[in-house]
Amino acid sequence: AQSVTQLDSQVPVFEEAPVELRCNYSSSVSVYLFWYVQYPNQGLQLLLKYLSGSTLVKGINGFEAEFNKSQTSFHLRKPSVHISDTAEYFCAVSPPGTGANNLFFGTGTRLTVIP
Amino acid sequence: NAGVTQTPKFQVLKTGQSMTLQCAQDMNHEYMSWYRQDPGMGLRLIHYSVGAGITDQGEVPNGYNVSRSTTEDFPLRLLSAAPSQTSVYFCASSLQGAAGTEAFFGQGTRLTVV
Repeated sequence: AQSVTQLDSQVPVFEEAPVELRCNYSSSVSVYLFWYVQYPNQGLQLLLKYLSGSTLVKGINGFEAEFNKSQTSFHLRKPSVHISDTAEYFCAVSPPGTGANNLFFGTGTRLTVIP
Repeated sequence: NAGVTQTPKFQVLKTGQSMTLQCAQDMNHEYMSWYRQDPGMGLRLIHYSVGAGITDQGEVPNGYNVSRSTTEDFPLRLLSAAPSQTSVYFCASSLQGAAGTEAFFGQGTRLTVV
């Protein structure tokens, strides 16, 4: 079984400040890791994903995330946020080898960028 | 490209009524799925399909039926709506059924059951 914990339900941050959104997971098997973003009244959009290889993954809109196997974490970071980054961010995992692209999501972190 | 299209965008049902949420994708994706999004719970998988004629249950399948007669369409049926099914429903698709493939989401259907 898989579970994903997003430790912060809401994160307010001032414009141009750095931000880190935390994600921890637990799984009895190795998993693929994802961050999705949901803008108001929209569906989810992929920010970045980790399948294998380099543990530092770069995504769209200047976001990056680092996979830490020993801490079972996949925290999302951006060095300088913009107003347009205000959205809800979901961390998700997917176990490979099941034959299905099913995602298991965390509860989400609402990022609010303050002008 | 339309991507993943969900209809309707909003719906109010009375307890006990049935309805079908529509989902269509024009990207020739093999894999399609339905999630529900509830406050404080993230998204949870209801049903999924890895190809036409193949469906399977996710985490929370009770009270819902699906079928996949074509590659493009994956409707979700509520058999007898209950207030506990008040939620936002998202349909997603991906090119392949294998894990790790990017999922594309529709804009959601907000369902209220009274």
